[in-house]
Order: sequence, then C-alpha cells, then structure tokens
Amino acid sequence: QVQLVQSGAEVKKPGASVKVSCKASGYTFTNYGISWVRQAPGQGLEWMGWISVYNGNTNYAQKLQGRVTMTTDTSTSTAYMELRSLRSDDTAVYYCARHVRGVRGISWYYYFEYWGQGALVTVSS
Amino acid sequence: QSVLTQPPSVSAAPGQKVTISCSGSSSNIGNNYVSWYQQLPGTAPKLLIYDNDKRPSGIPDRFSGSKSGTSATLGITGLQTGDEADYYCGTWDSSLSAVVFGGGTKLTVL
Repeated sequence: QVQLVQSGAEVKKPGASVKVSCKASGYTFTNYGISWVRQAPGQGLEWMGWISVYNGNTNYAQKLQGRVTMTTDTSTSTAYMELRSLRSDDTAVYYCARHVRGVRGISWYYYFEYWGQGALVTVSS
Repeated sequence: QSVLTQPPSVSAAPGQKVTISCSGSSSNIGNNYVSWYQQLPGTAPKLLIYDNDKRPSGIPDRFSGSKSGTSATLGITGLQTGDEADYYCGTWDSSLSAVVFGGGTKLTVL
C-alpha cells in the first residue's frame, strides 16, 4: 500500500532553516510528483508547491519563492522540503502528498491522492 | 482570506443529508476540476472527491461531488458521527498558477 512517512517534529529559532523529509513506499517513486501543503494551528490548508520526481522540475507558491527548496532522492524514494529564514508565522504542520496533475483541453486537474502524517514545525525564540 | 469560499460550519442529525458549498471564480472552479478532502481531528487530510465528482476506491457512495459554473458542492448522505470533520475544497487557479483551497467547513453531526 502507498505510504508517505515524514520526519518528526522540529523546533527552530527565527531566522533558522528546517528540512522535512517524506519517505515514499508502495509505488514507483518516479511515476508521481510530490506536493507540499502546510497548515498553521487552527487554520486551513496552504499549498506550498510541487516537485516532479521524474525530472526535478519545481513550482513554488509565489509567497514562498526564494525561501523554499524542494528536492528528491530517488535512490531512497525520499522527498525533501527545506524552508529558510523561518518566521513565527511559519509555525505549522507540514504535509507531503502524492499528487496527480494534468490538463484536459483547457481544464487543469490537480489533486492529492495520498498524504504523509504531517510534521509539526514550531518557530519560536 | 481564502480564494475559495466555504461556509465555516454546517450541522445535521445522524442519518440526514448535508451539503457543503465551495464558491470561486472563472480562473479556478469555473475552468478547472475540483477536489474535496476530509480532515478528521488530529489527522492528515484524506481525498474524498476528485475531478469534480469522482470517488477514489474505498470512499463510500454516501459522499458525492458536483460542479456548476464557478461553484462546487460536496454532499454527504446518511450522516454518521464518524463524519464529524473539517472538509476542504481545492482546485488549480490558472491566474495565480497555484493550488487554492477553501477555508474549510466544520461538520457537526448532532
């Protein structure tokens, strides 16, 4: 069965960086892309971006451009999300998700089939 | 402020039916496919509906999705106490070049 297992909770100081991992199993890692979604305490879902595991292409949310980097290691079927220059409002649960995306005619489809269990990142001085 | 608009909460009695709306615009719902997610307390979201109205295997047919114009709707029939959760709609926004979500709707089964 498809599983995405994420690294554990982290506590970071403002200005620091965090790198969250997401180890995939149960499917061919290079056949699907990975997206990252975060959720601040008591808030809704926020899309952070995606990475094509096949060729390494990335697309980041505009508000995170310059601070986020998504990578993969196909030898270990692991995806990584690094966020730099952390601020208090980056405190959130960070989820990886296997996504399905594409276009039919002019209409895009993009959904998250499987999710990791989440990793809480707390930014506090 | 979310790009997609959902009611903050809905409620209904066990066995009843409830609908959750998701309103957007031509750059998102109007021209792209909608998905819905269920988030039980303290857990990761789970895919309920994709491509507006399709259910992944294992999702009971009590859950249904529809889309009309720039709005989408999630329907749940035969409500159970285990359906108490937050529900989110999501889609691609062609103007923002980003996935956008609704703010979430908390379902209470009275």
